[in-house]
Amino acid sequence: QVQLVESGGGVVQPGRSLRLSCAASGFTLSSYGMHWVRQAPGKGLEWVAVTWYDGSNKYYADSVKGRFTISRDNSKNTLYLQMNSLRAEDTAIYYCGRDETTGVLHIDYWGQGTLVTVSS
Amino acid sequence: QSVLTQPPSVSAAPGQKVTISCSGSSSNIGNNYVSWYQQLPGTAPKLLIYENNKRPSGIPDQFSGSKSGTSATLGITGLQTGDEADYYCGTWDSSLSAYVFGTGTKVTVL
Repeated sequence: QVQLVESGGGVVQPGRSLRLSCAASGFTLSSYGMHWVRQAPGKGLEWVAVTWYDGSNKYYADSVKGRFTISRDNSKNTLYLQMNSLRAEDTAIYYCGRDETTGVLHIDYWGQGTLVTVSS
Repeated sequence: QSVLTQPPSVSAAPGQKVTISCSGSSSNIGNNYVSWYQQLPGTAPKLLIYENNKRPSGIPDQFSGSKSGTSATLGITGLQTGDEADYYCGTWDSSLSAYVFGTGTKVTVL
């Protein structure tokens, strides 16, 4: 069965960096687009970034553009989110999600999330 | 600030029906498929409806979706306490080159 497991969250000071990972199993990662979505405490869902199945196209929310980088290693069945210059407003649960297509259509499977807290 | 607008909350008695609207524009809903996601308290979101009106395997037919112009609607019939959750619409925005979620709607069973 499809499984997505995020890791790498934790408490980090403003201005520092953090890298999240999303381990995929139960399907061939190289055939699907992959997303990161976040949810601040008590708030709604906010889409963060997407990468095409082969990494050829990547798109970002304006709120993270220039600071966050989405990447993937299909040989390791792993998706990443490199987060630099972190701010308090980046505090959220970060979910990875599989798109049903090679690009962007809808997120058909979600991980359980990893919590990132940006605080001094 | 989301480009897709949903009512903050809707409620109804057990067994009744609720509808949730999602209002957008020609750059998102008007020209792209709409999906709906259910998020039960303390859990990750789950795909409920895709391509405007299709249900993934395992989703009961009490959930339905429709789209007209730049708006979409989620319907839930035979409301149960287990349906109490937050519901979000989502779609690609061609102008923003970004996936966008609605503001979210909390469903309460009275």
